[in-house]
Amino acid sequence: GQNIDQPTEMTATEGAIVQINCTYQTSGFNGLFWYQQHAGEAPTFLSYNVLDGLEEKGRFSSFLSRSKGYSYLLLKELQMKDSASYLCAVASGGSYIPTFGRGTSLIVHP
Amino acid sequence: DTEVTQTPKHLVMGMTNKKSLKCEQHMGHRAMYWYKQKAKKPPELMFVYSYEKLSINESVPSRFSPECPNSSLLNLHLHALQPEDSALYLCASSQDGAGSSYEQYFGPGTRLTVT
Repeated sequence: GQNIDQPTEMTATEGAIVQINCTYQTSGFNGLFWYQQHAGEAPTFLSYNVLDGLEEKGRFSSFLSRSKGYSYLLLKELQMKDSASYLCAVASGGSYIPTFGRGTSLIVHP
Repeated sequence: DTEVTQTPKHLVMGMTNKKSLKCEQHMGHRAMYWYKQKAKKPPELMFVYSYEKLSINESVPSRFSPECPNSSLLNLHLHALQPEDSALYLCASSQDGAGSSYEQYFGPGTRLTVT
């Protein structure tokens, strides 16, 4: 099984930078996903990391350290619309199907 | 077309009813998924179909019965549900269940209430 841990809630100011951390314990690691989910809506894919390092995609970046079982999602130039739940999900054990963590609720205020 | 559609958007059913949830994608994806999500909880995997064959059943009660009529359609048949089955049911698809493309596309979900 997997043990995925991320903070329950974070708050940040519009225009700022926020880093959402995720730690995991698993065997047969096959990749880590980040999804964004607005209240009452479906999750949308943000990133996939399988090798160590930083992947940048516009205002969002995702980092992975496999040896530390650690990832973070970095959001720059925060906008009000970034208020959402951010789900860290890990694929392992020969499968590429992710198991989701409980999510981090990000609140962006003016 | 990068859309997964689900119908109905909302469903209220009694414990003795039989109903079906429908999901459709036209992206040529060969893997399709059903998830259940309770409020303020992450999505929980229920079933996976890969190339129209059921490949994963996460010990889901038999009152939930999945069906994949063809590569574009996925149904979830519901019978004799319990109030605790009330949740958001999400359908997702990905290019290949074996993992040649890992990104999952989610539909908007069906909000199910069992009375």
